[in-house]
Amino acid sequence: GAVVSQHPSWVICKSGTSVKIECRSLDFQATTMFWYRQFPKQSLMLMATSNEGSKATYEQGVEKDKFLINHASLTLSTLTVTSAHPEDSSFYICSARRGPDEQYFGPGTRLTVT
Amino acid sequence: AQRVTQPEKLLSVFKGAPVELKCNYSYSGSPELFWYVQYSRQRLQLLLRHISRESIKGFTADLNKGETSFHLKKPFAQEEDSAMYYCALSGRSGSARQLTFGSGTQLTVLP
Repeated sequence: GAVVSQHPSWVICKSGTSVKIECRSLDFQATTMFWYRQFPKQSLMLMATSNEGSKATYEQGVEKDKFLINHASLTLSTLTVTSAHPEDSSFYICSARRGPDEQYFGPGTRLTVT
Repeated sequence: AQRVTQPEKLLSVFKGAPVELKCNYSYSGSPELFWYVQYSRQRLQLLLRHISRESIKGFTADLNKGETSFHLKKPFAQEEDSAMYYCALSGRSGSARQLTFGSGTQLTVLP
């Protein structure tokens, strides 16, 4: 199977600090990874598309300077929430694409900003 | 723009009863539709895709382009089917294909 991991699974940070979330494809290479945000009892909202070796493509309304994405290798993409605020508290989910339309999802990262 | 609508947030059926989770989409091109499922405390996983035309765990879904629908059906629901179900559409946005998710339907199968 295709496995995607995320680290950490949950994190609590203070307002104003930065948090990095890692997304790894464990047994396949992914030139494209996606970052989603999910609020309680709501659907997944695509934040950005992460492409290996190039800049991420952000969805409308997502602040590029706040949510920094780096796709440094074919198996790793990172999302850094900079200067986090309580309203950034959410569940962040990544997925990795294998093949034209196959996306495999990570288990998600629960971020709580106090 | 692409959009996916799941009109039911919650759906409860009794074990053994038929179940249908509705999904309608809006997309100007040729869509690829998926159903994803998320069991309690587990990650999102692919249930089925329309191009495969397969039945997974007894579930089927037929793409109806005339009605722009991709409803998920199962003739006899089981308790283990209780989960959150998301309909998703894969379409092009710029140069990339993206998944757009519906708001999800929480299915509860009662004993």
